[in-house]
Amino acid sequence: GAVVSQHPSRVICKSGTSVKIECRSLDFQATTMFWYRQFPKKSLMLMATSNEGSKATYEQGVEKDKFLINHASLTLSTLTVTSAHPEDSSFYICSANPTGANQPQHFGDGTRLSIL
Amino acid sequence: AQSVAQPEDQVNVAEGNPLTVKCTYSVSGNPYLFWYVQYPNRGLQFLLKYITGDNLVKGSYGFEAEFNKSQTSFHLKKPSALVSDSALYFCAVRDPQAGTALIFGKGTTLSVSS
Repeated sequence: GAVVSQHPSRVICKSGTSVKIECRSLDFQATTMFWYRQFPKKSLMLMATSNEGSKATYEQGVEKDKFLINHASLTLSTLTVTSAHPEDSSFYICSANPTGANQPQHFGDGTRLSIL
Repeated sequence: AQSVAQPEDQVNVAEGNPLTVKCTYSVSGNPYLFWYVQYPNRGLQFLLKYITGDNLVKGSYGFEAEFNKSQTSFHLKKPSALVSDSALYFCAVRDPQAGTALIFGKGTTLSVSS
């Protein structure tokens, strides 16, 4: 089945550091990938839609200069949290789906980001 | 606007008993509906989907869900729960007219006791 790989699984770093998270579709091409943030009380919030070869589409309230998204190839999207602060600590999850709106999205295993 | 409601934060069942995790949705048009399961510190795993056709869909690990258009519901069910089914369950909807992003419910924690 379709596999999405996310790396790293866990990051602990100091405030002010920039952190890059990678999301790869291993056995299919994805023109669109999605980045979610999961809060401690469980809800999954869509942050942005990553579009291969063009700018990402950000959801309302998400700072595009804070959360930089690059989708340079059909199998790789990256999320960079710039100048991270403790309030950016969270669980970030990416997803992608094979072509077709009726196909399920496949998720990476998530990245636990902890900013000290 | 599209939305998904999971009215229960937690569902508790005894092993061997049937389980139901509720989901209702609000979408204009005909929705695509999905259920996902999440284990601690992991991503979401796809369980099943409804696109069209038979209202009862069967998925992974013995789970099934019934699409009810009149009640705008898509409840997840399993005839006999296992302790290993304990996890966080998400219902999600996609409006095919509005692109491929999923809208998730807030999640329901299922706890199966032995």
